[in-house]
Amino acid sequence: AQSVTQLGSHVSVSEGALVLLRCNYSSSVPPYLFWYVQYPNQGLQLLLKYTTGATLVKGINGFEAEFKKSETSFHLTKPSAHMSDAAEYFCAVSAGGTSYGKLTFGQGTILTVHP
Amino acid sequence: GAVVSQHPSRVICKSGTSVKIECRSLDFQATTMFWYRQFPKQSLMLMATSNEGSKATYEQGVEKDKFLINHASLTLSTLTVTSAHPEDSSFYICSPRLGEGSPLHFGNGTRLTVT
Repeated sequence: AQSVTQLGSHVSVSEGALVLLRCNYSSSVPPYLFWYVQYPNQGLQLLLKYTTGATLVKGINGFEAEFKKSETSFHLTKPSAHMSDAAEYFCAVSAGGTSYGKLTFGQGTILTVHP
Repeated sequence: GAVVSQHPSRVICKSGTSVKIECRSLDFQATTMFWYRQFPKQSLMLMATSNEGSKATYEQGVEKDKFLINHASLTLSTLTVTSAHPEDSSFYICSPRLGEGSPLHFGNGTRLTVT
């Protein structure tokens, strides 16, 4: 069984400040990890994913995340927030093999960016 | 990335009627499609997995007779909400499975409101 915990349902930052959205996972098998962004009344856009290999993953729009197995974490960061980053962000985990693609999502973190 | 066209984007129906939601893959073939739903202010939950040419598999607590899934071709999967009730009002969204480790993209979702 897998689970995802996103610490902080709401995060507020100033424009230009560092964005840090936290995600911890629980998985009995090596996980595949994902971050998605959802704007109001829209679908999900994939920001980045970790499968294997390099633990620091770079995604779109300047976001990146680091897979830390020892901490079971996959936190999302962006050095400088833009107003357009205001949205809800979801961390998700999938097992591999025949279960690949069955995502378990965290509860989401709403990011607010202040001018 | 894999483009998934989901229709309709928004639908309002009366209680007791049925609604069909389509997910069509435009530039690839998917033998497997995942269907999720998202209740207001909540995260996404996997409802069912559709497999081309075979019966869908449903997650615990999802009524298979209420949520009919058809995956008759490699480019089209449909979800029909039968005898819809207000509690079925939700955001329904599909995600195709490609190879293991491949990006997991989503359709734009369907906002269902049952009055």
